[in-house]
Amino acid sequence: AQSVTQLGSHVSVSEGALVLLRCNYSSSVPPYLFWYVQYPNQGLQLLLKYTTGATLVKGINGFEAEFKKSETSFHLTKPSAHMSDAAEYFCAVSPRGYQKVTFGTGTKLQVIP
Amino acid sequence: NAGVTQTPKFRVLKTGQSMTLLCAQDMNHEYMYWYRQDPGMGLRLIHYSVGEGTTAKGEVPDGYNVSRLKKQNFLLGLESAAPSQTSVYFCASSRGGTGELFFGEGSRLTVL
Repeated sequence: AQSVTQLGSHVSVSEGALVLLRCNYSSSVPPYLFWYVQYPNQGLQLLLKYTTGATLVKGINGFEAEFKKSETSFHLTKPSAHMSDAAEYFCAVSPRGYQKVTFGTGTKLQVIP
Repeated sequence: NAGVTQTPKFRVLKTGQSMTLLCAQDMNHEYMYWYRQDPGMGLRLIHYSVGEGTTAKGEVPDGYNVSRLKKQNFLLGLESAAPSQTSVYFCASSRGGTGELFFGEGSRLTVL
């Protein structure tokens, strides 16, 4: 079985401040991990992914995430928030070689001017 | 390049009516998925398909049926709509078991 827990359904940061969105996963086999972003009234789009290799992965728009196996975490960070980062972010897990992708409940990021 | 296209984008149904949502992808992807999105619950997998002519149940399949007669199309049907099926439905596709999904823009369904 696989699952994803996102801590905090809403996160507010000031423009220019650090963004930290938390994600913990459980998976019975080594996972692929993803962060997706959803802007209002749109579908989800891939922000970044971890499959194998380097545990620190960089994505679009300056975001990055680090896979920490010992902590079963895959937190998303960005050093300096921009107004355009306001959106809902979803962490997702997919066991390697399997078809199903399981999503977390999402975290809405608000950026305050 | 259209990617993943869902039709219709909006629909209002009365309880007991039936309807079909169509998803079309032009990326030659093998895998296709239907999710529903509800506030506070994230995306939940309804049904998915790993190839033409195959379908499988996801987390919340009850009340829905699907068909994948052509590789590029994945249909989601509601035989007898219920208010609990009011939601935003997303179709997605992927190339093999990579987990990297490409989403449509969603179909907002309201059941009165």
